[in-house]
Amino acid sequence: AQKVTQAQTEISVVEKEDVTLDCVYETRDTTYYLFWYKQPPSGELVFLIRRNSFDEQNEISGRYSWNFQKSTSSFNFTITASQVVDSAVYFCALSDRGETGANNLFFGTGTRLTVIP
Amino acid sequence: DTAVSQTPKYLVTQMGNDKSIKCEQNLGHDTMYWYKQDSKKFLKIMFSYNNKELIINETVPNRFSPKSPDKAHLNLHINSLELGDSAVYFCASSQGTGLAGRSYNEQFFGPGTRLTVL
Repeated sequence: AQKVTQAQTEISVVEKEDVTLDCVYETRDTTYYLFWYKQPPSGELVFLIRRNSFDEQNEISGRYSWNFQKSTSSFNFTITASQVVDSAVYFCALSDRGETGANNLFFGTGTRLTVIP
Repeated sequence: DTAVSQTPKYLVTQMGNDKSIKCEQNLGHDTMYWYKQDSKKFLKIMFSYNNKELIINETVPNRFSPKSPDKAHLNLHINSLELGDSAVYFCASSQGTGLAGRSYNEQFFGPGTRLTVL
């Protein structure tokens, strides 16, 4: 069964601290994609990154970085030098082939990050 | 310029009514989706459409029906609304379905429609 677990329900950090959001996934498929989305207080869902199962290279985009490790089925997200604007709910998601051949996107339960000024 | 738009943004209605939420995307994507986000922020897919064909239909009540007049639109109709239907509904779109309707590209989401059933 496909499953995404974000064990951290809520995290609070002081501005300029680094913070890592954990994501662990389960799938029986060998081909799958992982995503991170941000949902700020305004409510919209903002795409951050997509990573396919064949590419384990870590990625850095400004203050954001992602660590994909197939050996531990994890796709963690780190924000460096956090800012108040980073306060949001962050969702990790998994897309695989699905048992019926149709595409499915499974979301974790989200981690609410609060950055304190 | 909005990539994925939804109307209305807020919808308050009485139990038993029938309502629709509209979604339009101007990205030229070939797959559109509807998601439901409950009060605990849990996001779950409801439907997706590829080239006007339903390719996912999760276990949602048949009171919910997606309607796609063209590739750029996927509307959500809800009949006989119930209290438990109160949630935020998100429309999304993506490009590139690959084989057998499989889409691995990122999905872009609309701003959401907050539905409140009284």
